Amino acid sequence: DAKTTQPPSMDCAEGRAANLPCNHSTISGNEYVYWYRQIHSQGPQYIIHGLKNNETNEMASLIITEDRKSSTLILPHATLRDTAVYYCIPSNYGGSQGNLIFGKGTKLSVKP
Amino acid sequence: DAGVIQSPRHEVTEMGQEVTLRCKPISGHDYLFWYRQTMMRGLELLIYFNNNVPIDDSGMPEDRFSAKMPNASFSTLKIQPSEPRDSAVYFCASSLGLKVRNEQFFGPGTRLTVL
Repeated sequence: DAKTTQPPSMDCAEGRAANLPCNHSTISGNEYVYWYRQIHSQGPQYIIHGLKNNETNEMASLIITEDRKSSTLILPHATLRDTAVYYCIPSNYGGSQGNLIFGKGTKLSVKP
Repeated sequence: DAGVIQSPRHEVTEMGQEVTLRCKPISGHDYLFWYRQTMMRGLELLIYFNNNVPIDDSGMPEDRFSAKMPNASFSTLKIQPSEPRDSAVYFCASSLGLKVRNEQFFGPGTRLTVL
């Protein structure tokens, strides 16, 4: 069974906020939610992660619901360079169970 | 910092040949990961090292694949003999420390084509 459910694709207008949802209803209590993105023909890039509190960094904000069964990655002002596949990955960092398992992700297209 | 360096960026070889992919992690990072990406299977972890020691190689597809990390600044992934189904993009990634092990920095990848 997939650990996460993400929409296969989304569009966003340049300059607008991009809100990417992820359902992870089977997340364990010690698992963080990691977000990565992969721009075409490049390696994946770490964006942000969180456990239960909302997090913000220079790239994005992460909102995690109180029951931790879902989260939303927010790119506040999307640019054309944010066009990429975005992956939501529940994981802890300990041992083999902490390995990152990449699903199919959401292909975000930012349009001018 | 130059980031994670992989070589070659592209490799075309014939079935049965030996292929060696190389990776230089970010200086000071103690975790190193090898991934493979295909359209069919997506991005898969093959093996990872901690302090140059292989920790989990359960993702290595078969005995034709082997990986080494002789020192903290160099790792290789070898396929011998190569097969057409090994065609993929191979990524190397590194990270610093257990608690940030999953904040990985990926290299640009090696695109392997086996004819």
